[in-house]
Amino acid sequence: SQQGEEDPQALSIQEGENATMNCSYKTSINNLQWYRQNSGRGLVHLILIRSNEREKHSGRLRVTLDTSKKSSSLLITASRAADTASYFCAWMNSGYSTLTFGKGTMLLVSP
Amino acid sequence: SQTIHQWPATLVQPVGSPLSLECTVEGTSNPNLYWYRQAAGRGLQLLFYSVGIGQISSEVPQNLSASRPQDRQFILSSKKLLLSDSGFYLCAWAPGDYNSPLHFGNGTRLTVT
Repeated sequence: SQQGEEDPQALSIQEGENATMNCSYKTSINNLQWYRQNSGRGLVHLILIRSNEREKHSGRLRVTLDTSKKSSSLLITASRAADTASYFCAWMNSGYSTLTFGKGTMLLVSP
Repeated sequence: SQTIHQWPATLVQPVGSPLSLECTVEGTSNPNLYWYRQAAGRGLQLLFYSVGIGQISSEVPQNLSASRPQDRQFILSSKKLLLSDSGFYLCAWAPGDYNSPLHFGNGTRLTVT
């Protein structure tokens, strides 16, 4: 299977806390992307990190990529109730033109 | 700006009936187009993708088919639905660049009864 793993499967925190989600994959990649999905909706792109990058920031989001360990993490700082959603990592395999998605982490941020 | 439209939002169909889900993109030309399916509580499974009119690649054998009759139109079809076809279907587009993100429609919730 080309699918990797995301952990945790579910994460429950209080507003103001940080949330960290991890993603592992199995192949060589061109890039790795993180998406957010609110319940019953389509996915929204958050951040893309290329295989030659190690860290990327966007607002309260910080993504790291370790290609030697085939893993990535998404950190959401100072979380808000509105951050409640499912978060998916997806990777573009080298030599392919399609994304493979992980199974996602369901984040619940309580006020 | 680019927009993607996907309809219908929800659909309840009996087993054995046909299916047609449509997706259109505005504001761009020659996009890569994708159909994904998401089972409850699961990640996304790529069903079909297309890099041009009439060019369809299938990722998994299944009861479904896809067509791209126009540059910015992508259709998912079935002649006879199965119970196992139930799920959340998502259409997406991306520029023909490996380092560009996907842009998703709002999805169609299909229930086969």
